[in-house]
Amino acid sequence: AQSVSQHNHHVILSEAASLELGCNYSYGGTVNLFWYVQYPGQHLQLLLKYFSGDPLVKGIKGFEAEFIKSKFSFNLRKPSVQWSDTAEYFCAVSTTGTASKLTFGTGTRLQVTL
Amino acid sequence: DVKVTQSSRYLVKRTGEKVFLECVQDMDHENMFWYRQDPGLGLRLIYFSYDVKMKEKGDIPEGYSVSREKKERFSLILESASTNQTSMYLCASSPPTWMGETQYFGPGTRLLVL
Repeated sequence: AQSVSQHNHHVILSEAASLELGCNYSYGGTVNLFWYVQYPGQHLQLLLKYFSGDPLVKGIKGFEAEFIKSKFSFNLRKPSVQWSDTAEYFCAVSTTGTASKLTFGTGTRLQVTL
Repeated sequence: DVKVTQSSRYLVKRTGEKVFLECVQDMDHENMFWYRQDPGLGLRLIYFSYDVKMKEKGDIPEGYSVSREKKERFSLILESASTNQTSMYLCASSPPTWMGETQYFGPGTRLLVL
């Protein structure tokens, strides 16, 4: 069975700082990778996803993630965070033939200070 | 826009009560999911369904059951609520795998079992 690790549990950054959130998965086969975000009081929503092709994926609100197959990683990045990026971020993985079943990481709480 | 609605935002129940959590989606999605979200544990899959009357156990099905009598509705049942089932419950839906695997989430039901 696949698993997902997010090693940063709580990250505090000042506005305009650069962000990188780590995500590693364990699975030997083909995977699809996702980052979801949950803003305070809001639904969980998709930030970006990787299925195939260019390993550098761009999502909403200036976020991007890079799939590095050799490292089993899918780290999330943003060059300059804003206060409105304060949220909880979840990495998730699905594998072929599992009816879209996602396995989530434990989440990273990002706090951006003014 | 895809809309996933959950019957209650907040629910307080007593130990031993039977609890029903309802989820409805309006996008004719085949797949529906129930997760629970706990601090430090991320989202864990309880049950999912890929068709009417079909259900599959997720990672933590113990103490729960589900019902999917209509395509748009997926119910989570706690047969005899216990305090360790106090949690945030999230419902999600997604189209068939070949159409992409993005899951769309509802607002969640925060359940407190006393």
